[in-house]
Parts: sequence; structure tokens; C-alpha cells
Amino acid sequence: EVQLVETGGGLIQPGGSLRLSCAASGFTVSSNYMSWVRQAPGKGLEWVSVIYSGGSTYYADSVKGRFTISRDNSKNTLYLQMNSLRAEDTAVYYCARVKPVYCGGDCYSYYFDYWGQGTLVTVSS
Amino acid sequence: QSVLTQPPSVSGAPGQRVTISCTGSSSNIGAGYDVHWYQQLPGTAPKLLIYGNSNRPSGVPDRFSGSKSGTSASLAITGLQAEDEADYYCQSYDSSLSGFHVVFGGGTKLTVL
Repeated sequence: EVQLVETGGGLIQPGGSLRLSCAASGFTVSSNYMSWVRQAPGKGLEWVSVIYSGGSTYYADSVKGRFTISRDNSKNTLYLQMNSLRAEDTAVYYCARVKPVYCGGDCYSYYFDYWGQGTLVTVSS
Repeated sequence: QSVLTQPPSVSGAPGQRVTISCTGSSSNIGAGYDVHWYQQLPGTAPKLLIYGNSNRPSGVPDRFSGSKSGTSASLAITGLQAEDEADYYCQSYDSSLSGFHVVFGGGTKLTVL
């Protein structure tokens, strides 16, 4: 059974750093694309970052240069290092497994087939 | 402002049929990228409901169906039940920027009357 369990959230002051972890079971993190998606209180879903099975990483413009996605293959765990945190980073952070969908030619689409339960990050003084 | 546009809310009585629209543009849905739908019950994580425009993962009732046409997509729920009350999000991919650009709709709150 596929399971994703996030930890590491909490209350942090603006400008601070936090590292989120996502422990996976039932599949191999390094063989899959993995993502972080966040949801601000009362708001919709916002994609944050992705790491490909080959190791390439991408970020939303809102977090580029401040957040770093990584994984530890030996622990089958995904991470999100968050630096220079701002009030607008306050959200529940979900990790999710990404599935590619071939749509013809060199076109690929993506969706999230499994999600963790989320961990709340609150940035406030 | 979300890249994909959904109505903020829809409602229906038990047993009725409701639809939720998701409108995009020529750089996402209209470019041929698939649309996927997620259900988020109150206080829980999103759950995949429909993938690849119209496919249901194992365990999702056939009361839920999806379709796509042009730059829009729709989620239909028939035989509405109280437990369907949730937020629903559409998601696709956008090619207007380089890199990896998954985009979501703003979400639609379904109320079962």
C-alpha cells in the first residue's frame, strides 16, 4: 500500500528556515517524480516544486531561490528545505507522487496520484 | 488568480446531478494537455478523483465522470450523496513557461442541500 507521511511543520519566524520530510512506503521515491503542493488557509492548491526520477528539479516562481527539493534514496524520503520564509508561505504542505501522462509527440502531462496528509507551516512573529 | 477557472460553488439535492466546469486556454487545456480532478473532503488531503480527462482510479464510484472539449473540461456527479460535499479542484499543465508548470483551478465547493 502506498503511503506518504509528512513531518517537520511548525511555527517559524519570518526569515527563518524549516525542513519538511515526506517518508514514503509502498513504492520507491527515486524511481518516481515527486512533488510538494501547498494550500494556504482557506485557499486553493498551489504547486511548489518537483524532483524528477533523474534528479532534475523545478520550482514555482514564488519559491525559486528560497526552497530546495531533495531526496534520500536510502531512507526513501523526500525533503523540502525552506529558507527565508515569509508570511505568505504559511500553508499546509503536501507531498505527492507525480504520474506522467503521454499526450502525443513530445507532450507530457502530469497528475498527482497519491498525497500525504500534509504538515502545517506557520510563518509569523 | 488561478490559471484554470472554476465556479466558486455549486449545490444540489441528494440524488440530483451536478456539473463543475474548468475553463483554461490555448496554452493548457486547449493545447491538448489532459485535465485531472481532485476531491478534498473537509479537513483532509486532496484525493485523485479523475485522471486523463475521464478515467477513474480504482475505488472511485462511477457516479463521478469527467470530460474535456476545446479549452474546457467538466466534472459530473450523478446520484448526489451527502458524502460528496467537498471541494473539487481541476488540474492541468501549462506550456506557456519553461520548466515544470502544473496548474490548478481555484476550487469549487460542492454543497449537498
